Amino acid sequence: DAGVIQSPRHEVTEMGQEVTLRCKPISGHNSLFWYRQTMMRGLELLIYFNNNVPIDDSGMPEDRFSAKMPNASFSTLKIQPSEPRDSAVYFCASSLVGERDEQYFGPGTRLTVT
Amino acid sequence: DAKTTQPNSMESNEEEPVHLPCNHSTISGTDYIHWYRQLPSQGPEYVIHGLTSNVNNRMASLAIAEDRKSSTLILHRATLRDAAVYYCIFYGGATNKLIFGTGTLLAVQP
Repeated sequence: DAGVIQSPRHEVTEMGQEVTLRCKPISGHNSLFWYRQTMMRGLELLIYFNNNVPIDDSGMPEDRFSAKMPNASFSTLKIQPSEPRDSAVYFCASSLVGERDEQYFGPGTRLTVT
Repeated sequence: DAKTTQPNSMESNEEEPVHLPCNHSTISGTDYIHWYRQLPSQGPEYVIHGLTSNVNNRMASLAIAEDRKSSTLILHRATLRDAAVYYCIFYGGATNKLIFGTGTLLAVQP
């Protein structure tokens, strides 16, 4: 398996623009997680899905952030409008709940908002 | 949220054992103890997990105190590739959320 795939790997955008981050989980996994990592706040869970259904979005910072999982093999995290404080590395992870619950992380998307 | 306490940083010499401690005094009976590590410029990577008994795998060993309020991740022979931030997390049975703390930055000297 290719592992969790994220795109783009790097994104530079101007304040006010819409940003869409994409994630393809490992085939057969039934849970998907979006995290954000900054120097100040460390690694934070934003939202997670079980069987394509959002279960807990309490970590989503504000209404500018939204996440979707239209099917088992694809998820998006959208920021609209983006702000400089959204600059961070965004990780997607997937797991098979009921097994070891081990989460497999993607390589991350480094987002810079100027 | 679940809270663990780890030293901010540790140093080791190559090919020596490393013991990374973690305190989790508020752990409940159904919480698993998970360890992840994050190498520079990469996403976190699963290392090992356990509930009550000590656990071994190809990467490391996990020693869990009898009262479960602390645990130790053991790397038997540190290599330069083991330099990373190591996170100790306890993982509740009712939710599959991982709550990452600040972790321990392990430096390995040649």
